[in-house]
Amino acid sequence: GENVEQHPSTLSVQEGDSAVIKCTYSDSASNYFPWYKQELGKRPQLIIDIRSNVGEKKDQRIAVTLNKTAKHFSLHITETQPEDSAVYFCAASKNYGGATNKLIFGTGTLLAVQP
Amino acid sequence: ETGVTQTPRHLVMGMTNKKSLKCEQHLGHNAMYWYKQSAKKPLELMFVYSLEERVENNSVPSRFSPECPNSSHLFLHLHTLQPEDSALYLCASSQAGGRSNEQFFGPGTRLTVL
Repeated sequence: GENVEQHPSTLSVQEGDSAVIKCTYSDSASNYFPWYKQELGKRPQLIIDIRSNVGEKKDQRIAVTLNKTAKHFSLHITETQPEDSAVYFCAASKNYGGATNKLIFGTGTLLAVQP
Repeated sequence: ETGVTQTPRHLVMGMTNKKSLKCEQHLGHNAMYWYKQSAKKPLELMFVYSLEERVENNSVPSRFSPECPNSSHLFLHLHTLQPEDSALYLCASSQAGGRSNEQFFGPGTRLTVL
């Protein structure tokens, strides 16, 4: 079945620096790649997603890139702020638009932004 | 209340107890999910209901029993659990077949099995 690997498990950056989190997936049929942010004690929330027919997507300070050939996708956060501190999860799915959206999650990255 | 709600938020139970977790979504969605979140592990999908029919069961032990009486409510019935079942149990919902695949999560139930 699908397997998603995520690196690094922890990431510490200075406020204002950029942060990059990388994921790889195993199933070439995967067609949807969301990123979720989970602040301490709170629920996961979608921050950005990308479909397999797009190579890059940007929303203000966050961007996601997808390399289908290498089966890699990455989250980029620029000009980091302390409120970006959280656990970030990548996920992959091959059920985009289908009856269910079965997401396979990575193990998460704890991002700490130092003021 | 809006979004996805879960009750109780915290639950402590013994291995011989029977309890139920409840999830309710107020988003008009037609697919609901149970996830287990343990420390240093990825979110594990336990059950998926779409259009009130169970379509996925990832070999979860029978001591976990889901119930979906309608598209807005989802239950997880628990009995004779083990200490390793202690975790955060998250419910989520989405619109099956819609343009957006976003899953909306509830706040979770923190379960401790003694």
